[in-house]
Amino acid sequence: EDQVTQSPEALRLQEGESSSLNCSYTVSGLRGLFWYRQDPGKGPEFLFTLYSAGEEKEKERLKATLTKKESFLHITAPKPEDSATYLCAVLFPSGGSYIPTFGRGTSLIVHP
Amino acid sequence: DVKVTQSSRYLVKRTGEKVFLECVQDMDHENMFWYRQDPGLGLRLIYFSYDVKMKEKGDIPEGYSVSREKKERFSLILESASTNQTSMYLCASRPTGGGQPQHFGDGTRLSIL
Repeated sequence: EDQVTQSPEALRLQEGESSSLNCSYTVSGLRGLFWYRQDPGKGPEFLFTLYSAGEEKEKERLKATLTKKESFLHITAPKPEDSATYLCAVLFPSGGSYIPTFGRGTSLIVHP
Repeated sequence: DVKVTQSSRYLVKRTGEKVFLECVQDMDHENMFWYRQDPGLGLRLIYFSYDVKMKEKGDIPEGYSVSREKKERFSLILESASTNQTSMYLCASRPTGGGQPQHFGDGTRLSIL
């Protein structure tokens, strides 16, 4: 059973067409939720950390928001260079530590 | 900027070989991780380490082992490579404390023939 679920699996947008990606999770007492961007053949690149419901972070055309059970990555007026896979990860307790667990990602393609 | 360096971008090995994947980080992070990434399955944790000589199994440790003799270096070992271990392998590090994010290397694409 997935603890971190991302939707949709794939998303195709026209340049300038705003949309949102979803990350839902099943953990009580969130210690941190992360968004990453991954380009083909590269490792994930960190975008945002969110800690508590109501929190928002922005970077260029991206805005990440957080509720008690899910996070959204809003993409405003996307450009072709925003095409990538977007990954969400949540810290889950493991023994005496907290380990990031990843969703399967959303593959975004922005057409010019 | 944090730099996580994986020794090889591409690697081709034969079944039954012992394979070593190396990862080095330059930011004195306590925690290091090995993942494999397969289409449709996302990132799956193989092993992680929270200190020198310490290791913990992740979700899919079978067929793998790890070594962490120095803080900056974390090695993944395929004891006897099999074709189902063909994958992209990603190393990451992060500091202890708070909700610190992981920093990733660019991956090793491993093919087992």
